[in-house]
Amino acid sequence: AQSVTQLGSHVSVSEGALVLLRCNYSSSVPPYLFWYVQYPNQGLQLLLKYTSAATLVKGINGFEAEFKKSETSFHLTKPSAHMSDAAEYFCAVIPRGAYGGSQGNLIFGKGTKLSVKP
Amino acid sequence: DTEVTQTPKHLVMGMTNKKSLKCEQHMGHRAMYWYKQKAKKPPELMFVYSYEKLSINESVPSRFSPECPNSSLLNLHLHALQPEDSALYLCASSHEGINYGYTFGSGTRLTVV
Repeated sequence: AQSVTQLGSHVSVSEGALVLLRCNYSSSVPPYLFWYVQYPNQGLQLLLKYTSAATLVKGINGFEAEFKKSETSFHLTKPSAHMSDAAEYFCAVIPRGAYGGSQGNLIFGKGTKLSVKP
Repeated sequence: DTEVTQTPKHLVMGMTNKKSLKCEQHMGHRAMYWYKQKAKKPPELMFVYSYEKLSINESVPSRFSPECPNSSLLNLHLHALQPEDSALYLCASSHEGINYGYTFGSGTRLTVV
């Protein structure tokens, strides 16, 4: 079964520092990949998605992620953290079949809480 | 309109009450979902509606009863809940078969007392 692993339940960075949040998937067929952000007491907002076009995906709020098939990874980065980036970040996948169609629904990783220090 | 609207935002109910959560979208999405999220956990899928028909029920207790009156509305009827059902309930929608991701509402914070 497809699974999503987010390394690090809590990441802390200083304001202005690089943000790196890690995500790995488990399937041999690369799934559709997504990053969502959740601010306290709010719903989930889509940051960016990979659906087999360009491997470097740019999203909102200055975030980007790179799909690396050889590493089964889809890590999220931002060059310079801002205080407003403090939130919970979820990597999620929709599994794909051998011919590219979706197979199943959105599956979430356990989440990474990002803290930003002044 | 690019939003999923959920009402109410907060709900406190007793274990003998009956209440309903509502979700609405006008993006033409034909798939709609209910998720449950406990504190410090990822969302867990409860139900999936596809073209207004229930397609997935993830073994959810019968005290939760979903309803999809039309392609824009999704309800979750609650009856005889337990305190452990207290959580954030999220509604989402998506295009059927087009994987642009799901659009989530801001959720209903439910407290069962």
